[in-house]
Order: sequence, then C-alpha cells, then structure tokens
Amino acid sequence: NAGVTQTPKFQVLKTGQSMTLQCAQDMNHEYMSWYRQDPGMGLRLIHYSVGAGITDQGEVPNGYNVSRSTTEDFPLRLLSAAPSQTSVYFCASSSGTKGYGANVLTFGAGSRLTVL
Amino acid sequence: GNSVTQMEGPVTLSEEAFLTINCTYTATGYPSLFWYVQYPGEGLQLLLKATKADDKGSNKGFEATYRKETTSFHLEKGSVQVSDSAVYFCALTDSNYQLIWGAGTKLIIKP
Repeated sequence: NAGVTQTPKFQVLKTGQSMTLQCAQDMNHEYMSWYRQDPGMGLRLIHYSVGAGITDQGEVPNGYNVSRSTTEDFPLRLLSAAPSQTSVYFCASSSGTKGYGANVLTFGAGSRLTVL
Repeated sequence: GNSVTQMEGPVTLSEEAFLTINCTYTATGYPSLFWYVQYPGEGLQLLLKATKADDKGSNKGFEATYRKETTSFHLEKGSVQVSDSAVYFCALTDSNYQLIWGAGTKLIIKP
C-alpha cells in the first residue's frame, strides 16, 4: 500500500515558468488537499477537494490551480511561478470529509520547490 | 478566529530527559485537538488526538490532555530518545473540519 505519492521530490524553476506537482493516493480517500510549509509558519492550506469533480480554495490559493478528475489524483499547477512560491509542498488525504475522519490526514513525503 | 500557538524551538534535550512542548489555542465551540509529528525528510503523521475536554491522547509514550479551562494541549513524554528528534505540530479543527496548524516546534535530542 503506497499511501500518498508525490512527484517530483525536488524542482527548481525560473520565475514565470509553469509546472505541475503530482499527487496520487491508493486508499480510495474522498478528501485530498495541498499544503505549503514555510519556516515559522506551519502548514497553510492551498486547495482541497472532497471528491472527484469538486475543489475549493484554502487559505492561500492565489497562484495555484487544482483539478480532481479521479478519486486517486489531485495535481497542483503553478501557472507562472514566483519566488514567493519557494516552499515545501505537501499533499494529504483522508477517508472522510466531515468529523474525525476528515482530520486524520495521511501525508505524502513532500516536494521541495525553489523559484529563482 | 481560530488559532494555535506553540512554543518556539528548537527544543534541545538530552536522552532520557522529560519533555514538554506547550500548545495553546483559541477557538469557538468545541474543537478536536491533534499533535502531528514530522520526522526528517518525511511528511507529517498523526501522533495523538483528543476530541473533548479532559480527554487524554497517548501514543508511543507521548501524552497530551485537552484542557478547556486553560485552552491548552501540551505534549509530554517522560523519557525522550534520540529517535524522537522531529518537528511537532499542534492543530485543531475549525467548524468546517479543516485543520488549523501551529507553527511547529523542532525537537533535538542529544545522546
């Protein structure tokens, strides 16, 4: 059971370039989300999804797009990268969308992005 | 709004020392409270949780008690090991079941 798989683990971009961070889970989880982790700021929610075809914005959605065409996959797109998007990105999923199940997250190993 | 405040790190202890990492929160209603741990190079994983006042969550020798009167959820362990070195995150749920995170506390255990 692979859990949550993120690719790539490391990426360096130039300002203005675009890229997609991939996230896949094999646990049939309804809920998937993307966080960014910055020093001293904990985790901040970017976007989340409560099922295929449904996405919503989190705390810091600007500059990022998501889609959820299947239960398994939840890619995060940066359309025009900026240095402020240098961060470590985590994908996380859970089995529920409400109640306790919604808060027991399974995380991927993270993707470290540097924008020059 | 809802928020979580953790003690700043890094916290550096010797092996077998007693650990406390403070966590206080501000929230409306009755949130659930969580501690997640992030080992070096890995994603976060749930360490323990408590869903109502006076509940005690425990796992791997770690404990935390949900104290509504002091709005706290401090993490404790009686005897830490080098393998406990990690970043610890306190979190609570909001009314939409989204997690609100503290900034994280880095723990360094020296042999």
